[in-house]
Amino acid sequence: AQSVTQLGSHVSVSEGALVLLRCNYSSSVPPYLFWYVQYPNQGLQLLLKYTTGATLVKGINGFEAEFKKSETSFHLTKPSAHMSDAAEYFCAVSEGGSNYKLTFGKGTLLTVNP
Amino acid sequence: NAGVTQTPKFQVLKTGQSMTLQCAQDMNHEYMSWYRQDPGMGLRLIHYSVGAGITDQGEVPNGYNVSRSTTEDFPLRLLSAAPSQTSVYFCASSDGPRGTEAFFGQGTRLTVV
Repeated sequence: AQSVTQLGSHVSVSEGALVLLRCNYSSSVPPYLFWYVQYPNQGLQLLLKYTTGATLVKGINGFEAEFKKSETSFHLTKPSAHMSDAAEYFCAVSEGGSNYKLTFGKGTLLTVNP
Repeated sequence: NAGVTQTPKFQVLKTGQSMTLQCAQDMNHEYMSWYRQDPGMGLRLIHYSVGAGITDQGEVPNGYNVSRSTTEDFPLRLLSAAPSQTSVYFCASSDGPRGTEAFFGQGTRLTVV
């Protein structure tokens, strides 16, 4: 079975600082990996995804993530945090087979301090 | 652009009551799913469907039923509500198998007292 571990349930950064949210996965097949963002009282929105090809993936709002197979990681980064980045972030892996099922990590709440 | 629409947004039930959470999508997506979100637990899959007439169980299916009579609609039924079903429920849809983006509704916040 697929699984996702997000290290740190809460990350706090200053505005303008580097954002690093960690995600490790386990998978018995080549993984498809996703980062979703959830703003307060809203649904989830896709930030970026890795399927095949280039291991450095760029997403919306200046975020990017790098797929590292040897480390089974897919960490999310942004060079300079903005107040509007405050939200909860979820890493997810897509399970194998023809059915579409996502397995989510437990989420990381990002706080951005002025 | 309606996308995925969930109703109601909020609901309070008494223990033992039944209700249906509605989910509709207007993107002609084949794949639809229901998740529940609990603090510190992330999102957990309840049921999913790969097309009209086809449904299957996810990680936490007990106490919930689903059906998929049309491509557009995927209702979630609580048969006899329990306090453990207090949660935020999200419906999602996608037009393909693994690797395709899932689009989420705004959620239904359910409280069972």
